[in-house]
Amino acid sequence: SAVISQKPSRDICQRGTSLTIQCQVDSQVTMMFWYRQQPGQSLTLIATANQGSEATYESGFVIDKFPISRPNLTFSTLTVSNMSPEDSSIYLCSGTLADSYEQYFGPGTRLTVT
Amino acid sequence: KNQVEQSPQSLIILEGKNCTLQCNYTVSPFSNLRWYKQDTGRGPVSLTIMTFSENTKSNGRYTATLDADTKQSSLHITASQLSDSASYICVVSGGGADGLTFGKGTHLIIQP
Repeated sequence: SAVISQKPSRDICQRGTSLTIQCQVDSQVTMMFWYRQQPGQSLTLIATANQGSEATYESGFVIDKFPISRPNLTFSTLTVSNMSPEDSSIYLCSGTLADSYEQYFGPGTRLTVT
Repeated sequence: KNQVEQSPQSLIILEGKNCTLQCNYTVSPFSNLRWYKQDTGRGPVSLTIMTFSENTKSNGRYTATLDADTKQSSLHITASQLSDSASYICVVSGGGADGLTFGKGTHLIIQP
């Protein structure tokens, strides 16, 4: 199994600023993903974090707005840049282990932009 | 388009009662179907994972069923407890970059 932690757990930020969210896994996961979950909605995939290379973004999400790093197999960061109130959401990190269907999720980072 | 539809959207039941949550999907190709429990303010936690050949799988008081022919799944909760209050998300694997299509979830409230 894998245990995923995220920092910060929550934050309140001003419009126009940026926030970097950290994701740490206690095991070497093959795949890491970043999701957004807006109130009352399910999870939307933002991007796949690729180790040592640029992340792969889903339609509607761009690198300038959501830069992602993944320097190794257990750590990734997501930055929410030039924030607006529409970015208020929960951001979740997840990872999968090799040869397993299981996908593990972090506790999420609750972001409020004022 | 791959879709996962869940019903009901929300449900309130008394502690000790049973309930069944529904999930219909149109995901192709299909690999597996998962049910997750998401407590408020927490990330989703896996309850069950079923592949094409599995019809039912249990995890304590949670029992999931899968009918791959009709593309339907259900999650049955027996003798509900206050700690069962959460959102239950049906997720089907087979499409997308992460291979997952998420339902919007059923918000379950257990009342004493």
